[in-house]
Amino acid sequence: DAKTTQPPSMDCAEGRAANLPCNHSTISGNEYVYWYRQIHSQGPQYIIHGLKNNETNEMASLIITEDRKSSTLILPHATLRDTAVYYCIVRNRDDKIIFGKGTRLHILP
Amino acid sequence: DGGITQSPKYLFRKEGQNVTLSCEQNLNHDAMYWYRQDPGQGLRLIYYSQIVNDFQKGDIAEGYSVSREKKESFPLTVTSAQKNPTAFYLCASSRGFLLEQYFGPGTRLTVT
Repeated sequence: DAKTTQPPSMDCAEGRAANLPCNHSTISGNEYVYWYRQIHSQGPQYIIHGLKNNETNEMASLIITEDRKSSTLILPHATLRDTAVYYCIVRNRDDKIIFGKGTRLHILP
Repeated sequence: DGGITQSPKYLFRKEGQNVTLSCEQNLNHDAMYWYRQDPGQGLRLIYYSQIVNDFQKGDIAEGYSVSREKKESFPLTVTSAQKNPTAFYLCASSRGFLLEQYFGPGTRLTVT
C-alpha cells in the first residue's frame, strides 16, 4: 500500500513561498496524490491533486517528480491564515484514503 | 448555499449510552465518509458509503454503526461497545468515490 512521509513541522516567513515536501516512494502508477489542509478544530479542506503532471489552482501548485516518488506543495505567498496541518494523501489499493499526521506549517509574521 | 453540516458541534454523554451524530449534505454527492481524529493525530476512516443503502467498514469500525437511507444523510452511531469514544468526529462527502472530499465542521464528542 502506498504511504506518505511528511516532516512533522515547518516554518515559513509571511509573504514567502511555502514548500511542503511529501515522499510516496511506493505509489502505484494509477494512484493520485491529494493535498488537504486542516486549520485548528475545523474540518480538512481540499487543496489540489495530481497524477503525474504539475498542477496549479488558485490556492497552490503541486510539483510531482518524474518518477512520482515524491511531490511538493507550493503556497506561493504564505499568509498567517495558511497556518494549518497539511496532509499529503495517496489512494491505496484497498480503495481507502489514509490520512497521516501531516505537516504542521507555522507562518511567521 | 451548498455544503455539509454536522450537529451538534459539541456533545457530552455518559459512559454506556449510545449517541448518534448527524451529517447532512446538499451537494448531491453520492459518497459520504466518517472519520475520527484524536488529539495530535491524523484522521482515521470509520465507515464510508458510495451510494444510498450501501456502506463499508473503514479501518476502525468496531463500536460504530451507520445507515444511508437517504442520499443527503449519513448518521453515525457511537455505541457503548466503543471503548474510547471521546474524539473529534468528521463527516465528508464527495461527488464520486475518492474524488475531492468536502468536510463538515466536525462534532467533538466527550464521554465521561
